[in-house]
Amino acid sequence: GAVVSQHPSWVICKSGTSVKIECRSLDFQATTMFWYRQFPKQSLMLMATSNEGSKATYEQGVEKDKFLINHASLTLSTLTVTSAHPEDSSFYICSARDVEGGTGELFFGEGSRLTVL
Amino acid sequence: DAKTTQPPSMDCAEGRAANLPCNHSTISGNEYVYWYRQIHSQGPQYIIHGLKNNETNEMASLIITEDRKSSTLILPHATLRDTAVYYCIVSNSGYALNFGKGTSLLVTP
Repeated sequence: GAVVSQHPSWVICKSGTSVKIECRSLDFQATTMFWYRQFPKQSLMLMATSNEGSKATYEQGVEKDKFLINHASLTLSTLTVTSAHPEDSSFYICSARDVEGGTGELFFGEGSRLTVL
Repeated sequence: DAKTTQPPSMDCAEGRAANLPCNHSTISGNEYVYWYRQIHSQGPQYIIHGLKNNETNEMASLIITEDRKSSTLILPHATLRDTAVYYCIVSNSGYALNFGKGTSLLVTP
């Protein structure tokens, strides 16, 4: 199946710093990618929809100035957590759907675990 | 999106079939039924999806009732590596998927 890759897989940072997470579709093009967040023992929560060449669409309650999303190409979307604080510690997961092929399923990255000290 | 109801947890003996139910009584005509699973600390893995007809692939079978108000995911010969949280999601094709709490499946030796 299609492959979505995230980097880094885990990161530890100090409070107040910014962290960038990359999401790449390795063997297909994706005009739309989705970013999720998952806290321990909870389900995935959709944060935002990343659209290639345009602004991201954020879910209610997600601060767009804190979670910057850039979708510069059909194979790359980035999520930057700005001025991270301990409460931002979470498992961040991206997903993408093949534009031209496939049968509608979303493919997910391996996830990026962020720990803010 | 229509909501789904799944049992919070299930057990299955290794080698036996695991049948995971899902209720989606408010599903609309153009919504698909998707199944994903998540093994601890990994991203969700796609299993199977369908619209009306039953579907089968190398991982599992999906049985959708005629009225489409419920479905069952069947893992024909469960192994220990199938221990995971299984999510049943209904959604229009092309949209984001909204995850519920899923069913935590424990496969025991």
